[in-house]
Amino acid sequence: DQQVKQNSPSLSVQEGRISILNCDYTNSMFDYFLWYKKYPAEGPTFLISISSIKDKNEDGRFTVFLNKSAKHLSLHIVPSQPGDSAVYFCAASSYNTDKLIFGTGTRLQVFP
Amino acid sequence: KAGVTQTPRYLIKTRGQQVTLSCSPISGHRSVSWYQQTPGQGLQFLFEYFSETQRNKGNFPGRFSGRQFSNSRSEMNVSTLELGDSALYLCASSLTGGLNNEQFFGPGTRLTVL
Repeated sequence: DQQVKQNSPSLSVQEGRISILNCDYTNSMFDYFLWYKKYPAEGPTFLISISSIKDKNEDGRFTVFLNKSAKHLSLHIVPSQPGDSAVYFCAASSYNTDKLIFGTGTRLQVFP
Repeated sequence: KAGVTQTPRYLIKTRGQQVTLSCSPISGHRSVSWYQQTPGQGLQFLFEYFSETQRNKGNFPGRFSGRQFSNSRSEMNVSTLELGDSALYLCASSLTGGLNNEQFFGPGTRLTVL
């Protein structure tokens, strides 16, 4: 039972344009969401997070949007850069479990 | 500050064997979590240790076990290996665990079961 789903295994975007990575979840108890970025041969690194009391969180070129009614969150990268090419994982948790549930990941490729 | 280290980085075993993976957290971090990453399944939570006690557990069979030492270093053991255990095993450390503490991941141990 995949509680956090990233339905696009890969995404290809031209440098300078917007990258939109999507994530859906099924557990309505989730109230904290994170995005991680992973380069080959390295562990995931934290990128940005959002609490369920917000619907948007912005950090530089990265913005995460949360739509609780649709149980959907998205990560926007503007403008996309070649160095953003990596696998992006979304993750969700609830305050009463403290366990992070990860999605399957989306491989983003930003080409010149 | 040194990051999270995992040893070994690569491991090849055969079915039925057992394996022990090691994780050294960032100095001062007391929480260590373990994840299994496989294609199509993403990162799946195995368990979390804090102050030498297992605090959280995922949905993995009892063949997967772990422990944490007084210096916060953690080991994960998988017994009676199966082909499906081939994966990248990641550990992550944080100061005290919980959602308000950022997790820092190690580079992982890639286990291949033949």
